[in-house]
Amino acid sequence: DAGITQSPRHKVTETGTPVTLRCHQTENHRYMYWYRQDPGHGLRLIHYSYGVKDTDKGEVSDGYSVSRSKTEDFLLTLESATSSQTSVYFCAISETGGKGQYFGPGTRLTVT
Amino acid sequence: AQSVTQLDSHVSVSEGTPVLLRCNYSSSYSPSLFWYVQHPNKGLQLLLKYTSAATLVKGINGFEAEFKKSETSFHLTKPSAHMSDAAEYFCVVRDKTDKLIFGTGTRLQVFP
Repeated sequence: DAGITQSPRHKVTETGTPVTLRCHQTENHRYMYWYRQDPGHGLRLIHYSYGVKDTDKGEVSDGYSVSRSKTEDFLLTLESATSSQTSVYFCAISETGGKGQYFGPGTRLTVT
Repeated sequence: AQSVTQLDSHVSVSEGTPVLLRCNYSSSYSPSLFWYVQHPNKGLQLLLKYTSAATLVKGINGFEAEFKKSETSFHLTKPSAHMSDAAEYFCVVRDKTDKLIFGTGTRLQVFP
């Protein structure tokens, strides 16, 4: 497996609380991505980064923010969690934008 | 806009019989296409990718896919299913901004 870790792996939180998920890579890849996976939707892109401090929105970015202060770390923040953000979150990395992406193990988030 | 349609949400086969997972794509230019596999409670693993070289692409674990432009298809096949192939499979197209667009997935069941 590519060197990608996600933390935490599981989290339960209450509506209205802030939550930060971390993705860490040891591959020195330029591109990093955050997706959410929900039944019937496949994976949907939340945000992505094409370099340190360079980020952009994906398909389902409302309610989420990201930061990338170092090549190896990409943080996803839910400013005020809602039940609709209960999902499994995957981080991915890619050496270039055109190559295949490699995925982390996922974080299961439950918002009660 | 680019998109993929996975024609079957579930496919069931017996061990030792062929596997066919169907995917049609929509693209205004020659696309890059991928198949990913996700085993239960795991992240996604890249099976194979098509990037305009040979139309028959061989991947890991005995899987292959054929790009057919005339049919706008990229079906995934394997001659003989194994129990360990039971998983969810995603067909994916890369859009012109290098982001990945995922299909909704096909769940493969393999019976002994």
